[in-house]
Amino acid sequence: AIQITQSPTSLSASLGDRVTLTCRASQDINNKMSWYQQKPGEVPQLLISYASSLQSGTPSRFSGSGSGTDFSFTISHLQSEDFATYFCLQGYSLYTFGGGTKLELK
Amino acid sequence: QVQLKESGPGLVQPSQTLSLTCTVSGFSLTSNGVSWVRQPPGKGLEWMGAIWSGGNTAYNSALKSRLSISRDTSKSQVFLKMNSLQTEDTAIYFCTRSGYNLDYWGQGVMVTVSS
Repeated sequence: AIQITQSPTSLSASLGDRVTLTCRASQDINNKMSWYQQKPGEVPQLLISYASSLQSGTPSRFSGSGSGTDFSFTISHLQSEDFATYFCLQGYSLYTFGGGTKLELK
Repeated sequence: QVQLKESGPGLVQPSQTLSLTCTVSGFSLTSNGVSWVRQPPGKGLEWMGAIWSGGNTAYNSALKSRLSISRDTSKSQVFLKMNSLQTEDTAIYFCTRSGYNLDYWGQGVMVTVSS
């Protein structure tokens, strides 16, 4: 099974900051990485698919990049509504989630 | 629009079997896969298994011996059955539409395993 290592597990940042999360796959997954945002008590929301493709409605301050085994997710200018937990997911061979990154206000 | 809704018991006794139903609308089960994903309180997401558009199934190896996923396309429903439940199976259970990503999710159903 493909393993996904997501880092960091938690991150403290301020409004307006630029933050980057990473996910590493244990084998080549091409571009089959997606990123999700989950707020407490809510359902995960798909933000980015195929490593870098923004879903309809995802603000442009969110971006993703990478291919193969290494992927990154960036929020360019943190807004108050962005403080949440973020998960990556590989969909190349079945599915594996990263462990999540909890983004908190500093 | 695409919708998924989970239903099932909120409380299951240890060692018993969990049965959940996912009722979908806005898309066809013969054209799309559906996965089950769970999330223990305060923890991360775990993909459990899927049923694909052709009816084939795939399971997380950690759950395979206890899990069964099936469907009734005429009713647009997907079913999850998992036996030998333990307290660590307490979680929110979601069904999701599945392609290379999981793009639409149900609201989830909280299942507590307790006597």
